[in-house]
Amino acid sequence: AQTVTQSQPEMSVQEAETVTLSCTYDTSENNYYLFWYKQPPSRQMILVIRQEAYKQQNATENRFSVNFQKAAKSFSLKISDSQLGDTAMYFCATHLSGNMLTFGGGTRLMVKP
Amino acid sequence: DGGITQSPKYLFRKEGQNVTLSCEQNLNHDAMYWYRQDPGQGLRLIYYSQIVNDFQKGDIAEGYSVSREKKESFPLTVTSAQKNPTAFYLCASSPRGDEETQYFGPGTRLLVL
Repeated sequence: AQTVTQSQPEMSVQEAETVTLSCTYDTSENNYYLFWYKQPPSRQMILVIRQEAYKQQNATENRFSVNFQKAAKSFSLKISDSQLGDTAMYFCATHLSGNMLTFGGGTRLMVKP
Repeated sequence: DGGITQSPKYLFRKEGQNVTLSCEQNLNHDAMYWYRQDPGQGLRLIYYSQIVNDFQKGDIAEGYSVSREKKESFPLTVTSAQKNPTAFYLCASSPRGDEETQYFGPGTRLLVL
C-alpha cells in the first residue's frame, strides 16, 4: 500500500524557537511532488511549501524549509523562529498515484508564548 | 478576488435526505477535487474532475455523487446511501489535472440530525 506517515501526532515549541515535523512516504514513483499544508483553527487548508522530487535542492519559503531525503523517502518541515500564528495542524501530502494527493494523518503543533 | 468558495459553511442533514454542497472557483483551473476530513484525521479523496463533463472516483466515493457541467463549478451530493456523513468537506482546485499544487476552499461542516 502507498502511504504517507506523520509519526508525531502532537508537538509543542516555545515562541522564537525551531521545530521540525517529520513525514515519510512510500511510493514506487520516480517523479512526484511533495507538499506541506497548514490547517489553522479556521480549518482552511493553506499551502506552506512544495518540493519537486527531481530537484536535489531543498525548498525554502521564508521561515519554512524542508529536508528532503529521496532515498530514505523522508520529507521533514522545519519552522524557524516559531510564531504564535504557526499554531495549527500540519499535513504532509504527495502524489503517490496519478493525480490523487495522499495526505498524512497530521501533526498538531502548539506554539507557546 | 480570485479564489474558491464553498457553501454553506454549516449544513444539517436528516436521515434519508440527500444534500448538496456547493463549490465554485474563479481561478480558471481545469481540475477540481472533493475531500472528506474526519476529526483528528487527514483528508481522503471522494471524487475529482480534470475536465468539464468528466470525473473520477477517489478512495471513498460510495454514497456520494458529483457533476461537472461548468468549469467553475463542482457540486457534491451526499446521498442517503452514505451512512456516516458527519464530517468536514473540503473542495480544492488545481490549474491542470497533473501534479500541480491544489488550492482549497474554506470547507463545509455537515452534521446529521
